[in-house]
Amino acid sequence: AQSVTQLGSHVSVSEGALVLLRCNYSSSVPPYLFWYVQYPNQGLQLLLKYTSAATLVKGINGFEAEFKKSETSFHLTKPSAHMSDAAEYFCAVGYSSASKIIFGSGTRLSIRP
Amino acid sequence: EPEVTQTPSHQVTQMGQEVILRCVPISNHLYFYWYRQILGQKVEFLVSFYNNEISEKSEIFDDQFSVERPDGSNFTLKIRSTKLEDSAMYFCASKKMGVAANTGELFFGEGSRLTVL
Repeated sequence: AQSVTQLGSHVSVSEGALVLLRCNYSSSVPPYLFWYVQYPNQGLQLLLKYTSAATLVKGINGFEAEFKKSETSFHLTKPSAHMSDAAEYFCAVGYSSASKIIFGSGTRLSIRP
Repeated sequence: EPEVTQTPSHQVTQMGQEVILRCVPISNHLYFYWYRQILGQKVEFLVSFYNNEISEKSEIFDDQFSVERPDGSNFTLKIRSTKLEDSAMYFCASKKMGVAANTGELFFGEGSRLTVL
C-alpha cells in the first residue's frame, strides 16, 4: 500500500532562511511523488512532481525537491524563505499515472519577519 | 490556462438535507476525483471516476454519497442526507489520459465549502 508521512505539522523559519519540509513515502512500486501548496482559503496548487525523469526536481516559486530512493524521501527545500511562502504544504504519492494520489497530513509553514 | 471549476464555493445546509456539489473538469481530461478536507485536517480521497463508472472509492464514500457525470462536461458529488460530520471543503480534481501526457498529477478546483448545521 502507498502512504506518505510528513514530519512536522508546523515549521517556522525566518525570512531569508532555508526552508526544509520533510516527506517520506512508502510504495511497493516506483512512485509518482508530488508537492502541493495550499494558501489560506484556496485550493491545491501543484508545486512540483517527480516522475523518474530526474531525481532533483525544480518547481515553481524557487522550490525544489530531491528523490532519494535509498531513504524513501522526497524533501522539499527552498534556499531563502519569503513571506509569501507562508502556506500549508502537502506531499502526495501515486503508484501509477492513472491512479489516485494519497496526501500526507500537511506541514504548515510560517515565516518570521 | 484551462482549470477545474467548482460550484458553489460555499453552501450551508441543514442536517438531513441533500446536497449536490458541481464540478467542471478540464475538457480533455478523462479521470475525475473527489477529495475532502475537514477543517485543519489532511486531504482525503473519496472517489475516482473513469469511463462513466467509479474506478475506486474510499471507506468514507458510503451509501450516502454518489457521483455522476450527467453530460459531457459536469461531474457531480451528491450527499443524500447530510450529517454534521460532512462539513468540510470538497475538492474536485481531474487528470489527463495518455502515456506521453500523463505524469500522474491531479489538477484541483478551488473547492466547495460545505457547512452542515
